[in-house]
Amino acid sequence: RKEVEQDPGPFNVPEGATVAFNCTYSNSASQSFFWYRQDCRKEPKLLMSVYSSGNEDGRFTAQLNRASQYISLLIRDSKLSDSATYLCVVNAKSFQKLVFGTGTRLLVSP
Amino acid sequence: DTGVSQDPRHKITKRGQNVTFRCDPISEHNRLYWYRQTLGQGPEFLTYFQNEAQLEKSRLLSDRFSAERPKGSFSTLEIQRTEQGDSAMYLCAIPAVNQETQYFGPGTRLLVL
Repeated sequence: RKEVEQDPGPFNVPEGATVAFNCTYSNSASQSFFWYRQDCRKEPKLLMSVYSSGNEDGRFTAQLNRASQYISLLIRDSKLSDSATYLCVVNAKSFQKLVFGTGTRLLVSP
Repeated sequence: DTGVSQDPRHKITKRGQNVTFRCDPISEHNRLYWYRQTLGQGPEFLTYFQNEAQLEKSRLLSDRFSAERPKGSFSTLEIQRTEQGDSAMYLCAIPAVNQETQYFGPGTRLLVL
């Protein structure tokens, strides 16, 4: 079983739609949680950190459920420019490696 | 700009050849990380450095792979006797200010024929 599991998609949605991605992680010792965005043939870029209290950045909302070891990302009012792969990431040990899911591909169409 | 450059950006080589990649953080960082990403997968941790010391290596890092960070600044990753399975994007990363997450360089895309 992979340490971080995501549905690879693709998710095909029209502009303006709301889309949600989910992720589960297996290591209960995981300490920090993130969503990264990766455009085709580019490096991953940090989208946002994820906290138990939930956090929002514009159209993006992330949530962590430690009891269920579950992480979510909600994108409201999807834009064409949101088309990318969204990577769920955990950091099990401070200052050491990040563990990535396989990524969920999002395609937003006009 | 994430503050990390990588060179070369693309490399095509024949099976059996040796290749070397370089990662240059723009400013000083005590930690530096290498990851590998194959098609359809997320990046996978390879190794990391604390200054000059290589402190952790993934089992993905076979004995054909060697990494160095001689002066605690730039780092090199060498692959000897390349195999087709080594084809991937090799990513270098530096820690964020809060040390919780990392910023990635643009990567070196390797194709082994």
